[in-house]
Amino acid sequence: GQQVMQIPQYQHVQEGEDFTTYCNSSTTLSNIQWYKQRPGGHPVFLIQLVKSGEVKKQKRLTFQFGEAKKNSSLHITATQTIDVGTYFCAGFGNEKLTFGTGTRLTIIP
Amino acid sequence: GAGVSQSPSNKVTEKGKDVELRCDPISGHTALYWYRQSLGQGLEFLIYFQGNSAPDKSGLPSDRFSAERTGGSVSTLTIQRTQQEDSAVYLCASSVKRGMETQYFGPGTRLLVL
Repeated sequence: GQQVMQIPQYQHVQEGEDFTTYCNSSTTLSNIQWYKQRPGGHPVFLIQLVKSGEVKKQKRLTFQFGEAKKNSSLHITATQTIDVGTYFCAGFGNEKLTFGTGTRLTIIP
Repeated sequence: GAGVSQSPSNKVTEKGKDVELRCDPISGHTALYWYRQSLGQGLEFLIYFQGNSAPDKSGLPSDRFSAERTGGSVSTLTIQRTQQEDSAVYLCASSVKRGMETQYFGPGTRLLVL
């Protein structure tokens, strides 16, 4: 079945450093979504990418969808303490939405 | 408008007891999902409802787990004869339709089985 993996599982960065999480699917995806879960909270939708090679930006966050529509990345520039949380990708393929394993980001002030 | 609501927010039960968890999706959303999240872990898909179609139960971990969705709205997840390994946060999400639309998550029910 479809599998979606994310790396790294954990990332600790100094405040102000950049952060990237990578998402890889075992199958070609129709679209990919990204969610953020703050500590103690529930996942909240960030963005959806549909087109091959698509790049979208939200302030300091940059999202990319690979040309083959099997991988995606989220890059945060100059991290801040508000960025703390776990970032999940979710890939839709074969009529099923599969969440990635998540990357937990912690910030060292 | 109101988001996805879940009740109870916290549930402590004894091993072997049955529990029922409730989810009220956003009005008009035809797709409803249940996930389980153990402490510090990712989202484990449990079950999915879409309109009047047969639910996708492929994620249910054992026959102790079951779910219903009455009238295409409220859903109840039932865990029979709870075990300590069932302790987790149970999250419900709804979307307008499967896959292409944003999933809106409820706050979750934190279940502790003693």
